[in-house]
Amino acid sequence: DTGVSQDPRHKITKRGQNVTFRCDPISEHNRLYWYRQTLGQGPEFLTYFQNEAQLEKSRLLSDRFSAERPKGSFSTLEIQRTEQGDSAMYLCASSQDRGRADIQYFGAGTRLSVL
Amino acid sequence: KQEVTQIPAALSVPEGENLVLNCSFTDSAIYNLQWFRQDPGKGLTSLLLIQSSQREQTSGRLNASLDKSSGRSTLYIAASQPGDSATYLCAVTLIGGSNYKLTFGKGTLLTVNP
Repeated sequence: DTGVSQDPRHKITKRGQNVTFRCDPISEHNRLYWYRQTLGQGPEFLTYFQNEAQLEKSRLLSDRFSAERPKGSFSTLEIQRTEQGDSAMYLCASSQDRGRADIQYFGAGTRLSVL
Repeated sequence: KQEVTQIPAALSVPEGENLVLNCSFTDSAIYNLQWFRQDPGKGLTSLLLIQSSQREQTSGRLNASLDKSSGRSTLYIAASQPGDSATYLCAVTLIGGSNYKLTFGKGTLLTVNP
């Protein structure tokens, strides 16, 4: 499979629990992005990695959120002490560094429901 | 702050009709503009990417144009088919730094009726 893979596809959790999502990018892609999409909205940028370095985090990413990309391969996004407002689709995307022609390839997303 | 607006929010057309989706953005300092397709509960698929120096791109029945100075883009779909039913999202990449993060509009929900 040469696409971006995300796991799990769906996650239901109770408020206050911790959750972790995984993203496996396309193997030769050095850039990895996380976005969050709520119902009726476009995706919003959360954070960006170039290889293993996390180079930018959105103000949307509170201190309950943490992301890693060890060895510049897969990435994880953890949410601690989940809140109902965290319910959303979490999308991962990867790309090669092609400047103005940079195309991001998206995974199918992880849908989080916080009860 | 870059804002991306898409009009209309929803569009329903009969099969075979040609249609235009609109996108506008407030900051013209962009690297590129992309149009994506999103099927219900699914991720995004890139349809067309227009670099800031380009005016248009074509792929099959799709044609996207870019007028950077006025902050506008259109996606033209010819001879629409029921399989074209999806949400279409417009996104821009701002110039600055090494982060090519995308700023999206809210999308246009397209329904093509057989």
